[in-house]
Amino acid sequence: DAGVTQSPTHLIKTRGQQVTLRCSPKSGHDTVSWYQQALGQGPQFIFQYYEEEERQRGNFPDRFSGHQFPNYSSELNVNALLLGDSALYLCASSYLRGGYTFGSGTRLTVV
Amino acid sequence: GIQVEQSPPDLILQEGANSTLRCNFSDSVNNLQWFHQNPWGQLINLFYIPSGTKQNGRLSATTVATERYSLLYISSSQTTDSGVYFCAVELGDYGQNFVFGPGTRLSVLP
Repeated sequence: DAGVTQSPTHLIKTRGQQVTLRCSPKSGHDTVSWYQQALGQGPQFIFQYYEEEERQRGNFPDRFSGHQFPNYSSELNVNALLLGDSALYLCASSYLRGGYTFGSGTRLTVV
Repeated sequence: GIQVEQSPPDLILQEGANSTLRCNFSDSVNNLQWFHQNPWGQLINLFYIPSGTKQNGRLSATTVATERYSLLYISSSQTTDSGVYFCAVELGDYGQNFVFGPGTRLSVLP
């Protein structure tokens, strides 16, 4: 039984570009949340998707957007990348409010 | 918003030693969890502990909700315990909206 799968594992983008990160939740999970973890800090909540809708959102600008597909997988899109967007992006999935599982993340470097 | 603090920020132990990590939070919470982040970045749930005491092998945790703190105990530490330990409180009505503390970086030396 696969856990949470994120892709790609690493990528490098240039300032001003756009990026799409992908997350496949654990089998049986229907809720996906995204977090940004800057180097040396704790993760920060970006947003959560459930039933293909954004259900909760943290304090992130509109440059951060997402999508959830009918198979519960999710994408995180970041437009107009800034150097400060360099971070580890983590995806977490769950069913109802139990059994949270985190992926290993995508490390984004903006140059 | 709610503030989550952790201490100490860094901890270096010799293998076999015991340690206590502390988490303070500024408001009452419905859920508190402890996580271990391994060197590859993955966050592993250790305890769901909004109150009371739980034990799992060499690890145990206690949360005193009325005093707004939680403690994580690691006994007989092993090199594989190295990594960053986070406590996180859960906000919102739908769950999974965690506010993480800054973490305690633990290094266990052989």
